Amino acid sequence: DQQVKQNSPSLSVQEGRISILNCDYTNSMFDYFLWYKKYPAEGPTFLISISSIKDKNEDGRFTVFLNKSAKHLSLHIVPSQPGDSAVYFCAAVKKSSGDKLTFGTGTRLAVRP
Amino acid sequence: DTGVSQDPRHKITKRGQNVTFRCDPISEHNRLYWYRQTLGQGPEFLTYFQNEAQLEKSRLLSDRFSAERPKGSFSTLEIQRTEQGDSAMYLCASSLARGNTEAFFGQGTRLTVV
Repeated sequence: DQQVKQNSPSLSVQEGRISILNCDYTNSMFDYFLWYKKYPAEGPTFLISISSIKDKNEDGRFTVFLNKSAKHLSLHIVPSQPGDSAVYFCAAVKKSSGDKLTFGTGTRLAVRP
Repeated sequence: DTGVSQDPRHKITKRGQNVTFRCDPISEHNRLYWYRQTLGQGPEFLTYFQNEAQLEKSRLLSDRFSAERPKGSFSTLEIQRTEQGDSAMYLCASSLARGNTEAFFGQGTRLTVV
């Protein structure tokens, strides 16, 4: 049972434009959500998180939006840069489960110069 | 370097052999997690420790897998009688057990079973 889903395996965006990565979840008991970025042959790197009681969190070029009624979150990157090209994973956490991460399958972002 | 470190980075082994991986977490982190990632998938939870206590194991962790965290510092993950299906990236992460704190990942150990 895939509790966290990223339905777009890949996304290509022009440098300077906005990248929007989407994530859906099925479990309404998740307490917070995170986005991780992963380069080949490296471990995931934390980008940004959002509590389930918020609907937006912003950090520099990265903004995460949460729509609890739709069980949907999105990561906006603006402006996109070639160095943003990587695989992005959405993850969800239930605090009662030891804060373990439930990951989506990832979206590969390619930012074209 | 004060991040999470994993050793080795790569391991090639023959089917049926035993392998052991090591993870050194960020020193003040009391939680340590093991995940496994296969091609085209996100990381999947295997097990986690709070200090030296192993608090949860996924059903993915068969009897051939064992993890330890003696003294609540580094951790080892052993796979006995490896199978080709064990080929994957094994990721370790650590965090502090308070609030909404993110987990920090190591670079992973890529296991190939031939």
